[in-house]
Amino acid sequence: EVQLVESGGGLVQPGGSLRLSCAASGFIFRNFAMSWVRQTPEKGLEWVSAIGGSGTSTYYADSVKGRFTISRDNSKNTMYLQMNGLTAEDTALYYCAKDLNARGSYGGNADYWGQGTRVTVS
Amino acid sequence: DIQMTQSPSSLSASVGDRVTITCRASQTISTFLNWYQQKPGKAPKLLIYGASTLQSGVPFRFTGSGSGTDFNLTISSLQPEDFATYYCQQSFSPPRLTFGGGTRVEIK
Repeated sequence: EVQLVESGGGLVQPGGSLRLSCAASGFIFRNFAMSWVRQTPEKGLEWVSAIGGSGTSTYYADSVKGRFTISRDNSKNTMYLQMNGLTAEDTALYYCAKDLNARGSYGGNADYWGQGTRVTVS
Repeated sequence: DIQMTQSPSSLSASVGDRVTITCRASQTISTFLNWYQQKPGKAPKLLIYGASTLQSGVPFRFTGSGSGTDFNLTISSLQPEDFATYYCQQSFSPPRLTFGGGTRVEIK
């Protein structure tokens, strides 16, 4: 059974940093691209960042580029999102998601999502 | 970025009703269109990808159609467990994905 468990969210002051983690199980982690998607009542669902299966290809939304860094440790079946320079606009529920196809490159089709970790910047 | 517009934003329906939700893209996206279902306090669940391919385990009462800029999600006979919010999402230009604003399906 595929499981994705996010952690690392919390309350942080503007300008602060957080590191989110996504622990994966139930599939061959290194074969799948992964992504982070955030959700707020105001903006809805917003794609944040993605990473290819090998970790060499990374992608960012314009709103977080230069402040967030996505990475993964395939030996630990875990993906990370380092978030620096946080602002109130980053307040959201952050989901990690697994890509549908086992081709390693990011296709943008998320077939499994974690339950989310909440980030509050205030 | 490609804008995704869903309509209606909400609807009220009864168990057994046929329900159709529409999603329109601001430019052609071929069939790179996914539909998700989200229940309160839960993560989104993939229902349909590639505009019309049913994800494994999803009931056959859900069907997706369309190509280019106009897409539909139809629930042939609404069940109690289908009351939720539905989102479309384009995957035409990864990694620049965008989601629709959602359609909330409520009990009449």
